[in-house]
Amino acid sequence: EDKVVQSPLSLVVHEGDTVTLNCSYEVTNFRSLLWYKQEKKAPTFLFMLTSSGIEKKSGRLSSILDKKELSSILNITATQTGDSAIYLCAVGSNYKLTFGKGTLLTVNP
Amino acid sequence: NAGVTQTPKFQVLKTGQSMTLQCAQDMNHEYMSWYRQDPGMGLRLIHYSVGAGITDQGEVPNGYNVSRSTTEDFPLRLLSAAPSQTSVYFCASRIEGASLAEAFFGQGTRLTVV
Repeated sequence: EDKVVQSPLSLVVHEGDTVTLNCSYEVTNFRSLLWYKQEKKAPTFLFMLTSSGIEKKSGRLSSILDKKELSSILNITATQTGDSAIYLCAVGSNYKLTFGKGTLLTVNP
Repeated sequence: NAGVTQTPKFQVLKTGQSMTLQCAQDMNHEYMSWYRQDPGMGLRLIHYSVGAGITDQGEVPNGYNVSRSTTEDFPLRLLSAAPSQTSVYFCASRIEGASLAEAFFGQGTRLTVV
C-alpha cells in the first residue's frame, strides 16, 4: 500500500520566519510528487516534482525532491500571515494520487 | 471556465438515507477521482476512474458506489448513509496518463449524517 508521511503535522511561526515542511513516501512505481496549499476550501496546486525536474521555485516558495531518500521538502521564506494554510503533499503512482495528512501552518503577525 | 463542479455544497442526511454527490468537469480529463477529508487525515481516495466505463476502488471505498458513463461526469453514491460518512468530499480530475499532471479539485461538498 502506498504511503505518504508529512511532518510536522502542525507548526506555528511568526511573520518573517523561514519554514521547512517535510514529506516522505513509500510507493510503487513513483511518477511524481506534488505540493498543494489548502485554505478554506479546495486544495490549490503549488508544485510538481518528477525525476526530470527535482527542484522548483516560485517567489518565496521552493521545493526539492530527493529520490534517493524518497522525500521532499517545501521551503517558505519570509513567511506572511497569508501563508497560513494546510500544506498537502501527494505522490503520483500508476493512476493514483496518494496524499499525506498535511501540515497545518499558522503564521502569526 | 468552469473546471470541476461539485453539487451540492452542503448536505445533511439522516442515517440510512441515500444520496448522490455530483461531479462534472469540462476539461475533457480522462482521470477523475473522489476523496474524503476528515480533520487531521489529509485526503483519502474513495474511488477513481481512468476513463468512461472504467472505475476502481481507492483506499476507503466501503459504503460508496460510483459509475462513469461519460467523460464529463463522475457521481458518488451513498446507498445508506452512516454517521461515519460525515466528511468533506472532493472530486478531482486530471489528464490521462496522469501521474505527471496536477489534479484539479472541485470546491467540495460538506456532508453531515445525523
